[in-house]
Amino acid sequence: DVKVTQSSRYLVKRTGEKVFLECVQDMDHENMFWYRQDPGLGLRLIYFSYDVKMKEKGDIPEGYSVSREKKERFSLILESASTNQTSMYLCASRSGGEPPPLHFGNGTRLTVT
Amino acid sequence: EDQVTQSPEALRLQEGESSSLNCSYTVSGLRGLFWYRQDPGKGPEFLFTLYSAGEEKEKERLKATLTKKESFLHITAPKPEDSATYLCAVTTGANSKLTFGKGITLSVRP
Repeated sequence: DVKVTQSSRYLVKRTGEKVFLECVQDMDHENMFWYRQDPGLGLRLIYFSYDVKMKEKGDIPEGYSVSREKKERFSLILESASTNQTSMYLCASRSGGEPPPLHFGNGTRLTVT
Repeated sequence: EDQVTQSPEALRLQEGESSSLNCSYTVSGLRGLFWYRQDPGKGPEFLFTLYSAGEEKEKERLKATLTKKESFLHITAPKPEDSATYLCAVTTGANSKLTFGKGITLSVRP
């Protein structure tokens, strides 16, 4: 079974802090994604990466950056956390080729106070 | 811009009462439509992929179908453990993003 592991289940940070969310997958997948999920808004794509050191902006990249130095690891960075970034963050991965499904981690619930 | 609309937003069923969840989509060149189940506090869990109109997939009490404009997730004789949020997503390419609908929250009463 594919395993996508997010380093924290819950995080509480203060406004202005730099926040790192880490995600590791164990299936040698090419593509990795970061989504945020909010009530009434659904899942919205922040950034994705289809290869090491490659990144593409999703629908809501403002206030975020990403890093993919190794194939198995994809990090989401909040440069200066704000209260409107309080959300559930979900990492996902998939292989390349004919569109296979995404495999999700269990999420990180981030609260910014 | 790709769009995915799921309806209804919420559905309450009695145990054993069959029903369908709808996912309407507008994309340029559908390459795949996905159904996921999400339990509270957890990440979405993959259920089905449909690639072309007319295709059907089944798993236990769930059956997914696809037309050129929409997909249905049919739930036959649901049980309380089927209560969850069901998400639909579409993609237009192998290295392309997935666009998700807002989900349908299903509640099955014993």
